Amino acid sequence: NAGVTQTPKFQVLKTGQSMTLQCAQDMNHEYMSWYRQDPGMGLRLIHYSVGAGITDQGEVPNGYNVSRSTTEDFPLRLLSAAPSQTSVYFCASSSRDSSYNEQFFGPGTRLTVL
Amino acid sequence: GQQLNQSPQSMFIQEGEDVSMNCTSSSIFNTWLWYKQDPGEGPVLLIALYKAGELTSNGRLTAQFGITRKDSFLNISASIPSDVGIYFCAGVPYNAGGTSYGKLTFGQGTILTVHP
Repeated sequence: NAGVTQTPKFQVLKTGQSMTLQCAQDMNHEYMSWYRQDPGMGLRLIHYSVGAGITDQGEVPNGYNVSRSTTEDFPLRLLSAAPSQTSVYFCASSSRDSSYNEQFFGPGTRLTVL
Repeated sequence: GQQLNQSPQSMFIQEGEDVSMNCTSSSIFNTWLWYKQDPGEGPVLLIALYKAGELTSNGRLTAQFGITRKDSFLNISASIPSDVGIYFCAGVPYNAGGTSYGKLTFGQGTILTVHP
């Protein structure tokens, strides 16, 4: 199993540009989520999904959209990038067996917005 | 949102020493988890705790779910150079309706440096 994969690994955007961060998992996990990591602040939940067709907001959802059309994929969209969105983004997945709590993380996407 | 206070922020130790770090909150948590993050990688789950008072080990790592359900502790015994990294606590807040499942709140992390 590849686990949780994310692409791209690095990305530089200009203010106002849009892009999609890709996330995929091959563990048949029901739950997927996106976090951002900023220096000294730990990880903060952006959006999450408990299954295909179901998404909801986390702690810091503004400026981000998500969709979940399949169990495997959970892309994160930035519609109009801002410098405040410069961060490292992690996708995670987990199973209902652990009440969704034991989450497996991908390697991250390092995003810089100029 | 919920706040987790993790301490210490950083530690510099000699190889072979034991390490202790903790995480506290003003709110009750249902679940505590401890993760380790290596440079340029995503966090990796070390230990998950589900009951107040629970003590769980994973090799040289031991973690405890505090009796008050507002804190958790991680100990590393006989540290080695590969223990270097950032250790995060994470918790799932208590919610009577069960809607907080999966919504992890993270501490700020403890940066561990081990000198050979």
